[in-house]
Amino acid sequence: GAGVSQSPSNKVTEKGKDVELRCDPISGHTALYWYRQSLGQGLEFLIYFQGNSAPDKSGLPSDRFSAERTGGSVSTLTIQRTQQEDSAVYLCASSLSQGQETQYFGPGTRLLVL
Amino acid sequence: SQKIEQNSEALNIQEGKTATLTCNYTNYSPAYLQWYRQDPGRGPVFLLLIRENEKEKRKERLKVTFDTTLKQSLFHITASQPADSATYLCALIPGGSYIPTFGRGTSLIVHP
Repeated sequence: GAGVSQSPSNKVTEKGKDVELRCDPISGHTALYWYRQSLGQGLEFLIYFQGNSAPDKSGLPSDRFSAERTGGSVSTLTIQRTQQEDSAVYLCASSLSQGQETQYFGPGTRLLVL
Repeated sequence: SQKIEQNSEALNIQEGKTATLTCNYTNYSPAYLQWYRQDPGRGPVFLLLIRENEKEKRKERLKVTFDTTLKQSLFHITASQPADSATYLCALIPGGSYIPTFGRGTSLIVHP
């Protein structure tokens, strides 16, 4: 595709349910990032994948959050037992390789936990 | 603690004027600094990058300065247009890292 895509674009769930958010990076991009953006807040780093290296999970806020990247392409962010404070926009970005400074962002998934 | 500060108040200017946005940081030694534009309901779009050893970078109507002594970057849009209205984010990347830390952004409103 021409850019980074994310699905779903919107997700409403009930507290305690699990959700999966998907990111399709630009083809050929080896670096992939997940961020969270709450209303009026800056982008909060969650996790970083680079090629086949072990991901940098230092930004994950709790063990309810996990992410994987299959085949070096598509990534899934999973939030287990969702809480109301998980409500935010979850953004994915990719870049050509480690050290390539330009990140290309997807449109985000707007998550609302009731 | 590390902190990135961008003016939380919206900047309102008249079309044709130069908009200047500020990004201040403390307790960082950034290798480089980026500026992004974000429109409502969309992801950020990369605009410019400036490295720690560069003082100024230009791209069309955009200019970024980086003063590592003052720990500040200024982002200028000359001959501003209503279409420039958006939120502008700065992001710092420390040396040895590939993970940017973003400011909260400043909203720019250009009035016709």
